[in-house]
Amino acid sequence: EAEVAQSPRYKITEKSQAVAFWCDPISGHATLYWYRQILGQGPELLVQFQDESVVDDSQLPKDRFSAERLKGVDSTLKIQPAELGDSAMYLCASSLEDPNIQYFGAGTRLSVL
Amino acid sequence: SQQGEEDPQALSIQEGENATMNCSYKTSINNLQWYRQNSGRGLVHLILIRSNEREKHSGRLRVTLDTSKKSSSLLITASRAADTASYFCATDLGGYNKLIFGAGTRLAVHP
Repeated sequence: EAEVAQSPRYKITEKSQAVAFWCDPISGHATLYWYRQILGQGPELLVQFQDESVVDDSQLPKDRFSAERLKGVDSTLKIQPAELGDSAMYLCASSLEDPNIQYFGAGTRLSVL
Repeated sequence: SQQGEEDPQALSIQEGENATMNCSYKTSINNLQWYRQNSGRGLVHLILIRSNEREKHSGRLRVTLDTSKKSSSLLITASRAADTASYFCATDLGGYNKLIFGAGTRLAVHP
């Protein structure tokens, strides 16, 4: 069964360092999402791509976060510099257009020390 | 801001009992979805109900939608210890397929 791949699963970094997360969506899924999930809360959308174009990045802290999906397939989310408050689970998901059921990867647990 | 609000925040039951979780939302929706998340893992889609539907079933799951009250409920019948997880409702407001997730209900099913 096709899955959304994410790496790494865990990342520990010191504040002010740069970190990057990678996501490979299910083949054929044009829409890709990056979420941040703080412990005990629901996922919050950071950025949404339709193919290689950003369609929503309204909640992305653009002073330190960046995301790209250059060929409309896999995607990278970067944080530079990392802050203590960035500690969270970062989830990637992909979907077809209709129905817009989202398929999630296992996530990257980030700890900023 | 979160569109969906789940209730209760936490639920503890015995195996074999039914579990009911509720979701309220604020604006008109295209569809509403329920997802499940095991501890430390990604979310898994359970069921989607469209705005023109009132009830859907999938195995031991039953979802209802009341658009006049802007609310939905998820019923898990004959619960099992393996149902222990967090359950989230997500609303699709239409346009670009964006989902807005609630804070979730943490369900614990005890053997």
